[in-house]
Amino acid sequence: GQQLNQSPQSMFIQEGEDVSMNCTSSSIFNTWLWYKQEPGEGPVLLIALYKAGELTSNGRLTAQFGITRKDSFLNISASIPSDVGIYFCAGQTGGYGQNFVFGPGTRLSVLP
Amino acid sequence: DADVTQTPRNRITKTGKRIMLECSQTKGHDRMYWYRQDPGLGLQLIYYSFDVKDINKGEISDGYSVSRQAQAKFSLSLESAIPNQTALYFCATSQPGTDQETQYFGPGTRLLVL
Repeated sequence: GQQLNQSPQSMFIQEGEDVSMNCTSSSIFNTWLWYKQEPGEGPVLLIALYKAGELTSNGRLTAQFGITRKDSFLNISASIPSDVGIYFCAGQTGGYGQNFVFGPGTRLSVLP
Repeated sequence: DADVTQTPRNRITKTGKRIMLECSQTKGHDRMYWYRQDPGLGLQLIYYSFDVKDINKGEISDGYSVSRQAQAKFSLSLESAIPNQTALYFCATSQPGTDQETQYFGPGTRLLVL
């Protein structure tokens, strides 16, 4: 079946640093979604990408839909303590009946 | 008010008991999903429903059943709970019909099976 890989699995950074994480697959996707999950809460949608090459920002977050349609990247600039959480990517191949596939997540810790 | 709500938020039960987790949404979405999340892992799809008359098994449906009572309600049942069903359960919704389908999650139900 389709699988998504996320890297890194976890990362510890200093407050103020920039963060980069990615999501890769052997399958082609038509939609990429990035979510953030905080402890005890459900995933919250951060950014949605629908076109290959698309670059979309949401405040300090920027995500890109890879040209090959097999990967996506999420960058966080000038990290702050409230960025702590698990970041999940999800892909959808499109078409009726196609579900979203989720990556295992990247756990981000921000040190003050 | 939250668009996707789940009840209960926390539940402790004993092995062999039947329990039901409920999900309601006010987004008017046709599609609803139940996921399971284990510590340190991603989301695994249990069941999904594309409309009231459509129910489909996901990756890990064994030991679970669902009911789509209405467009806004999708419940998950554990007929005879077992300890390895201890996990965090999430309901989600989405609306097809465009090229920009996005999935929205509820706050989760934390289940402990003793």
